[in-house]
Amino acid sequence: AQSVTQLDSHVSVSEGTPVLLRCNYSSSYSPSLFWYVQHPNKGLQLLLKYTSAATLVKGINGFEAEFKKSETSFHLTKPSAHMSDAAEYFCVVSYYGGSQGNLIFGKGTKLSVKP
Amino acid sequence: GAVVSQHPSWVICKSGTSVKIECRSLDFQATTMFWYRQFPKQSLMLMATSNEGSKATYEQGVEKDKFLINHASLTLSTLTVTSAHPEDSSFYICSARHALVPTDTQYFGPGTRLTVL
Repeated sequence: AQSVTQLDSHVSVSEGTPVLLRCNYSSSYSPSLFWYVQHPNKGLQLLLKYTSAATLVKGINGFEAEFKKSETSFHLTKPSAHMSDAAEYFCVVSYYGGSQGNLIFGKGTKLSVKP
Repeated sequence: GAVVSQHPSWVICKSGTSVKIECRSLDFQATTMFWYRQFPKQSLMLMATSNEGSKATYEQGVEKDKFLINHASLTLSTLTVTSAHPEDSSFYICSARHALVPTDTQYFGPGTRLTVL
């Protein structure tokens, strides 16, 4: 069965410092993994996606994530936080994979950025 | 590319009335669209999967007679909340999957805030 666990419900960083949002997954298949961002009262925007190509995936706005099969992790990082990064972040695993997939969402991590 | 819109962005209605929410893929065709609801400070919960030209598939615990889904074209799906009650107040988000590209990536709309008085 597929599942995803976001290890922190809330992360607070100072502007200009690195961001680390942690995600662990469980999947019986070769998973597709996603990170989405949601700003208040907005829909979700795709940050990046892993699909069994390169293990280090670069996304938009300077974010990247590394797929580590041995650790079943897909942590999201950014070298330097910006105030505009403050939002809710969701780690997501594809339910079946391939074109038939539905998505399973983590519970989300709220990122706060202090000036 | 891959833009999904929702209309309305917010709606307030009286208890007992019905509300229709539209989800449109603006620059791509979507054979499959999904409807989610999100309670405050919680994650998204899949309500149903909508396939163009066929009946929607509802998740366990979601009342299909209360949440009517129609996917009449490759760019439009609608969710109608029938006989709305205050407990139906929530943030409803749709997503769409590209028809021509074999992918599990979903593109999300901006959401609709429903408040039932």
